[in-house]
Amino acid sequence: EDQVTQSPEALRLQEGESSSLNCSYTVSGLRGLFWYRQDPGKGPEFLFTLYSAGEEKEKERLKATLTKKESFLHITAPKPEDSATYLCAVQRDKIIFGKGTRLHILP
Amino acid sequence: DAGVTQSPTHLIKTRGQQVTLRCSPKSGHDTVSWYQQALGQGPQFIFQYYEEEERQRGNFPDRFSGHQFPNYSSELNVNALLLGDSALYLCASSSGSYTDTQYFGPGTRLTVL
Repeated sequence: EDQVTQSPEALRLQEGESSSLNCSYTVSGLRGLFWYRQDPGKGPEFLFTLYSAGEEKEKERLKATLTKKESFLHITAPKPEDSATYLCAVQRDKIIFGKGTRLHILP
Repeated sequence: DAGVTQSPTHLIKTRGQQVTLRCSPKSGHDTVSWYQQALGQGPQFIFQYYEEEERQRGNFPDRFSGHQFPNYSSELNVNALLLGDSALYLCASSSGSYTDTQYFGPGTRLTVL
């Protein structure tokens, strides 16, 4: 059965303290892996799409990487406005989301 | 460029009632997907519409049905509402390709009393 597991469930960091969020998956025939950011009560905001192992993408303080079994979202020198839930999703035929990592950046 | 729009923003219904939620896709997109997101959970795929047909469906009962119109907008209908149907309902749009990135709307918060 296709599965997506995100860890940790929640993470509290000081402003400027870099860290990584993990998304591990068991999907045969991965067509794409997606990262989204979601603020409370709002729809997910697209961040990155990764298609093959070894691929990396960057946007401001965020960098996403992909291996054959997992993806990492690296956050460098985060700011309080980076506080949100970060969702990972994988696609074979349908899209399956993980439960997300709640990130809180303390000023 | 207008993004994905959904209406209404919030909705309160009672058990047994029926509800219709609406979605307009991002300009240039022809595919609409619907998701249910319970509190503290990731979105769960309900179904996807392309060329006015249901192309894929997740593990949701037949009480959940949908429609896509020629202008690519879409409706989600839920019959015989249960308390457990209370959730944020999200619409996402994309191009016809299966691997195209999906862009989400702001969601409709449904509360069933």
